[in-house]
Amino acid sequence: KAGVTQTPRYLIKTRGQQVTLSCSPISGHRSVSWYQQTPGQGLQFLFEYFSETQRNKGNFPGRFSGRQFSNSRSEMNVSTLELGDSALYLCASSHGTDINEKLFFGSGTQLSVL
Amino acid sequence: AQSVSQHNHHVILSEAASLELGCNYSYGGTVNLFWYVQYPGQHLQLLLKYFSGDPLVKGIKGFEAEFIKSKFSFNLRKPSVQWSDTAEYFCAVNGVGSNYQLIWGAGTKLIIKP
Repeated sequence: KAGVTQTPRYLIKTRGQQVTLSCSPISGHRSVSWYQQTPGQGLQFLFEYFSETQRNKGNFPGRFSGRQFSNSRSEMNVSTLELGDSALYLCASSHGTDINEKLFFGSGTQLSVL
Repeated sequence: AQSVSQHNHHVILSEAASLELGCNYSYGGTVNLFWYVQYPGQHLQLLLKYFSGDPLVKGIKGFEAEFIKSKFSFNLRKPSVQWSDTAEYFCAVNGVGSNYQLIWGAGTKLIIKP
């Protein structure tokens, strides 16, 4: 079974640009959640999608948005990039039907904003 | 608001030493508790979880954690560490009723000296 796939692996952007990150979950998983990971801050929850609907949202500004397609693949978009958006963006998938389920993580997209 | 505190950001131990990593959370209700581990160059993966029953939970690779409700703690332990335990360890909490949003600690980087 293929794992969670995130593309691209690395991205370099400049301030003011926008970026789209992609996440393909494990086959059969309907929930995809996104996290921002920065050194010393741990993982900050961005949002979670289940069956194409945003089910949960963290405390990030509206510049951060996402969507999920009918095949459960998800994209995350960040508009008007700021230097502070530099981070590792992780997505995780699960069946999404049991609150105790473990999450399966991808390798992440390392975003650098210059 | 929920929060998770991991007391040590960096821990350095010699092989065969005993390990205890602290995790405290703030949430007034019933919780689900998780420890995830990120080995160098690998994905985040679940180490163990607690959601009900015996407060002493055993996970993979000889790790265990004890949920102490009165102390709002879920400390991770291993009696004898190995060099291969070098990794970053994250504690995460999901308050029952808070949907599928995990709140994460900042992580503890564990280095085992051979």
